[in-house]
Amino acid sequence: SQQGEEDPQALSIQEGENATMNCSYKTSINNLQWYRQNSGRGLVHLILIRSNEREKHSGRLRVTLDTSKKSSSLLITASRAADTASYFCATETSGSRLTFGEGTQLTVNP
Amino acid sequence: EADIYQTPRYLVIGTGKKITLECSQTMGHDKMYWYQQDPGMELHLIHYSYGVNSTEKGDLSSESTVSRIRTEHFPLTLESARPSHTSQYLCASSRAGGWKTQYFGPGTRLLVL
Repeated sequence: SQQGEEDPQALSIQEGENATMNCSYKTSINNLQWYRQNSGRGLVHLILIRSNEREKHSGRLRVTLDTSKKSSSLLITASRAADTASYFCATETSGSRLTFGEGTQLTVNP
Repeated sequence: EADIYQTPRYLVIGTGKKITLECSQTMGHDKMYWYQQDPGMELHLIHYSYGVNSTEKGDLSSESTVSRIRTEHFPLTLESARPSHTSQYLCASSRAGGWKTQYFGPGTRLLVL
């Protein structure tokens, strides 16, 4: 089974609401990263949180990491229609190789 | 925007044809990667490279091959395409060392008839 599993698989919210996506993983990690993918495009890196960090912020993004529970969450505050995309968590275990989860499809309705 | 490019963006080809998917980056990154992604699914690492003349197989078995003759170039080749190869192929690169983010190209959507 894959290293990263995301929850929910799909999320639909109204503009202005907050969106929370969760990621769980199985093995010890060096860091956890969140990526965004617009339909039919490549991935864009959003934020990286190291295994010794618990929380990180970048603009409207807030990421938490709980290594004891092997889980992470991505919070997007005050969502916009342009935030509509798939969001993937990826864990780095060794050698800069990343293992990706299945992703959460976020739809923000105007 | 990352300086990593993939061509072609879309390819429709018949079974048995040989194809090469191109990937190049101008960031001087040592590490490069190929992922395969089916629609709505996770990415699977199929090949990676730590630098020139280095190629390794990834987590997902693939009938494709790669080469790394130049730092900036990491082409992927399918000697004989089959319908099961239909997928999206994403190329990425990163700097050497740990804890580095990966920069992705726009992807190549391959359809094998």
